[in-house]
Amino acid sequence: EAQVTQNPRYLITVTGKKLTVTCSQNMNHEYMSWYRQDPGLGLRQIYYSMNVEVTDKGDVPEGYKVSRKEKRNFPLILESPSPNQTSLYFCASSLLGTYGYTFGSGTRLTVV
Amino acid sequence: AQSVAQPEDQVNVAEGNPLTVKCTYSVSGNPYLFWYVQYPNRGLQFLLKYITGDNLVKGSYGFEAEFNKSQTSFHLKKPSALVSDSALYFCAVRPITGGGNKLTFGTGTQLKVEL
Repeated sequence: EAQVTQNPRYLITVTGKKLTVTCSQNMNHEYMSWYRQDPGLGLRQIYYSMNVEVTDKGDVPEGYKVSRKEKRNFPLILESPSPNQTSLYFCASSLLGTYGYTFGSGTRLTVV
Repeated sequence: AQSVAQPEDQVNVAEGNPLTVKCTYSVSGNPYLFWYVQYPNRGLQFLLKYITGDNLVKGSYGFEAEFNKSQTSFHLKKPSALVSDSALYFCAVRPITGGGNKLTFGTGTQLKVEL
């Protein structure tokens, strides 16, 4: 089944403790992207990647890192999480130049 | 830069009545337009998209949307609302050319359908 898999689904952590949210897709998509969803703000793009080793900032990249060492994986790294990064995170993938997007199920992160 | 406006934070409608959730967009060139729905504690579900062709697009669960290029709008509609339609709805846009594959979302509209 074609899908984007995010892990974990839920995470509660403490301020400053490094964490990684994984994202993996099995559709050979070049394009992958991370969004955060906050009430009243909709979904905002954090980082995106056009292909392996090609990543770039989205609209709200501060406090986040990503890597794209393999085509299928696009982890989101919070090196020193803060409470303002408490949010619902979505990973998405797409074939470049097309209009079909596949979203992961989301990761609800709480930073205390 | 591309953007989406959903002017209503919440829309309330009685079951059986028609519903409209508004969306306007700004993009360079021609757009791809999308509607997604999010039920409580769930992920995003794709509802429908406009790519090209007929301005009236039909999607899942009886929803449809009308693309109006002159008004840069893509309003979501349903002839007869159900209580089960209550959810958070997002409009999204990306340009057909340029802009990479970036999908830009609106702030969302909470739809509440009451008996």
